[in-house]
Amino acid sequence: AQTVTQSQPEMSVQEAETVTLSCTYDTSESDYYLFWYKQPPSRQMILVIRQEAYKQQNATENRFSVNFQKAAKSFSLKISDSQLGDAAMYFCAYRRGRDDKIIFGKGTRLHILP
Amino acid sequence: NAGVTQTPKFRVLKTGQSMTLLCAQDMNHEYMYWYRQDPGMGLRLIHYSVGEGTTAKGEVPDGYNVSRLKKQNFLLGLESAAPSQTSVYFCASSRDRVNTEAFFGQGTRLTVV
Repeated sequence: AQTVTQSQPEMSVQEAETVTLSCTYDTSESDYYLFWYKQPPSRQMILVIRQEAYKQQNATENRFSVNFQKAAKSFSLKISDSQLGDAAMYFCAYRRGRDDKIIFGKGTRLHILP
Repeated sequence: NAGVTQTPKFRVLKTGQSMTLLCAQDMNHEYMYWYRQDPGMGLRLIHYSVGEGTTAKGEVPDGYNVSRLKKQNFLLGLESAAPSQTSVYFCASSRDRVNTEAFFGQGTRLTVV
C-alpha cells in the first residue's frame, strides 16, 4: 500500500525567510501525482502545487516550489519569502496514476514568526 | 461558484444516534471522496466514489455508509454514532483520473457525546 510520510509535525520560520517542508512516499508505481495542500485556520483545504511523476522539471507556483527526487521518493515544498499568511497546516498527498484514491500525509504545522 | 458544499457545518450527536452528511458539487466531477481529519492523523479516506451509483471503501470505512445516487451528491451516513467518530469530516471531488486535483468542501465538525 502506498504511504505518505511527513516527518516534521511542526516548523517555524522567520517572516521573509525560506523554509522547506519534507515529504517522502512509498510506491512501486512509475505513474503518479503528488500534491501539497494548505489548510489555514479557516479549515479550507487549498491546493498549493502539484507534480506529475513523469515530469522531470520541478513545479513552481510563485513563492512555492518543490524539489522532486523520484529515485529517492522525496517531494519537499520550499516556501520563499515567507509571509504571515503562509501560517497553516500543510499536507503532502499522493495519487497513483491508474488509481482513484488520494492519500494524505499527517501534515506539518507551519508557524511564521514576525 | 459554489464548488463543493457540505451540510451541516457543525453537529453534536448523542452516542447511538444516526445522521447523514451531505456533500454536493456543481462542477460535474466524476470522483467524490469522504475524509476524516483527526489531530496528528492527517486526512484519512473513509469511502469514495468514481461515478454515479458507485462506491468503494477507503482506509477507515467501518461505522460509515455512503451513497451516490446522483452524480452531484455524495452522502455519508453514520448509523449508530460512537465517540470515536468525533472528527472533522471533509468531502472532496475531482474531475477524473487525468485532472487529478481534488477540490474540498469547508468541512463538518461532528462531536459525538
